[in-house]
Amino acid sequence: DQQVKQNSPSLSVQEGRISILNCDYTNSMFDYFLWYKKYPAEGPTFLISISSIKDKNEDGRFTVFLNKSAKHLSLHIVPSQPGDSAVYFCAASDPSNTGKLIFGQGTTLQVKP
Amino acid sequence: DAGITQSPRYKITETGRQVTLMCHQTWSHSYMFWYRQDLGHGLRLIYYSAAADITDKGEVPDGYVVSRSKTENFPLTLESATRSQTSVYFCASSIWREGNADTQYFGPGTRLTVL
Repeated sequence: DQQVKQNSPSLSVQEGRISILNCDYTNSMFDYFLWYKKYPAEGPTFLISISSIKDKNEDGRFTVFLNKSAKHLSLHIVPSQPGDSAVYFCAASDPSNTGKLIFGQGTTLQVKP
Repeated sequence: DAGITQSPRYKITETGRQVTLMCHQTWSHSYMFWYRQDLGHGLRLIYYSAAADITDKGEVPDGYVVSRSKTENFPLTLESATRSQTSVYFCASSIWREGNADTQYFGPGTRLTVL
């Protein structure tokens, strides 16, 4: 059973516009979430995170929003740039303190010049 | 150069062969992880380790073996490779902080093809 879901396999956005990537989760015990970015032939790199005590975290052009009641989080990229074209993974930290992350399937973002 | 490295970066093998993928990190992170990435499945955890000599199964451990005799190394062995193990494999590490592991840092990956 997929505990973290990214239901949109791909997203295409024009340069300068906003990109919104969505992620849903099923386990209400999840309290820490991360977004990773992955370019082809490279490993994923950490982008931004959010704790359940917050509903928003911002880092430059990247903002993550958390809606605990809906078990939903989203990553906003404003403005989008062609270099943002990559696969984005949403992940939740295992609440059992094992150190594990549970990843979604990923969303491929294409930012067109 | 500090960081997390994987070798080989590319490997082609045949069904039934034993294959070992290497992972080395220079940060002295206590936690290490092995994932496989497949289309439509994202990143799935194979095995992880909280410290040297402590390993545990992840979501998809069948057909794989791990060991961790030293903190910095975490090799993954496919005992008898099958075509279904064709995938991209990522190693990751993280520190232990305040009772919970922190952000994971990933290696560059190994693309394995089993013929």
